[in-house]
Amino acid sequence: QKEVEQNSGPLSVPEGAIASLNCTYSDRGSQSFFWYRQYSGKSPELIMSIYSNGDKEDGRFTAQLNKASQYVSLLIRDSQPSDSATYLCAVKRKAAGNKLTFGGGTRVLVKP
Amino acid sequence: GAVVSQHPSRVICKSGTSVKIECRSLDFQATTMFWYRQFPKQSLMLMATSNEGSKATYEQGVEKDKFLINHASLTLSTLTVTSAHPEDSSFYICSARLTGSDSPLHFGNGTRLTVT
Repeated sequence: QKEVEQNSGPLSVPEGAIASLNCTYSDRGSQSFFWYRQYSGKSPELIMSIYSNGDKEDGRFTAQLNKASQYVSLLIRDSQPSDSATYLCAVKRKAAGNKLTFGGGTRVLVKP
Repeated sequence: GAVVSQHPSRVICKSGTSVKIECRSLDFQATTMFWYRQFPKQSLMLMATSNEGSKATYEQGVEKDKFLINHASLTLSTLTVTSAHPEDSSFYICSARLTGSDSPLHFGNGTRLTVT
């Protein structure tokens, strides 16, 4: 089992719809969770960070964390074509010290 | 927010030559920086952790003699790819975080290395 797993996609959503991305992780001791967006040929940029169970909202983005089930999700409301990118889930694993482990990323395509 | 500057953004070099990539934290001090590599359609893979004033820590499988890391100040880390070969062609990205180990990583703009 990979340490951080994501569906590679592509996840195709119509403009204005909600895009739902999931990420599961194997290390139950993981403490910090992050979602990054990466456009093709560019470096990742931080969208959200979440540290405790529940929901965290920031604009059109909502991160959800469930440590008991070991998953973290990202919802993108009112999806726009500019949201088309690869979304990377990153987990700070207790077993890995101060380092982040990244999932493979989910490619999202928002169609006008 | 935190700004991490990386230079150059793109470099093409001949096989056998060395390439140096610089990573600077512009508005904060970074005692630790992280170097990642990303091949096409793959995720980021951590290569090494750069520690100011001490030796870098390399991930398993990363040759420390090939990827030389120097972190001489609190705002600058450099990665030198020595004797580059075509298989070293990749997207190299540095990152750093503000104080606090739970802070998110902020990434530089990356360096696209092409070895011919």
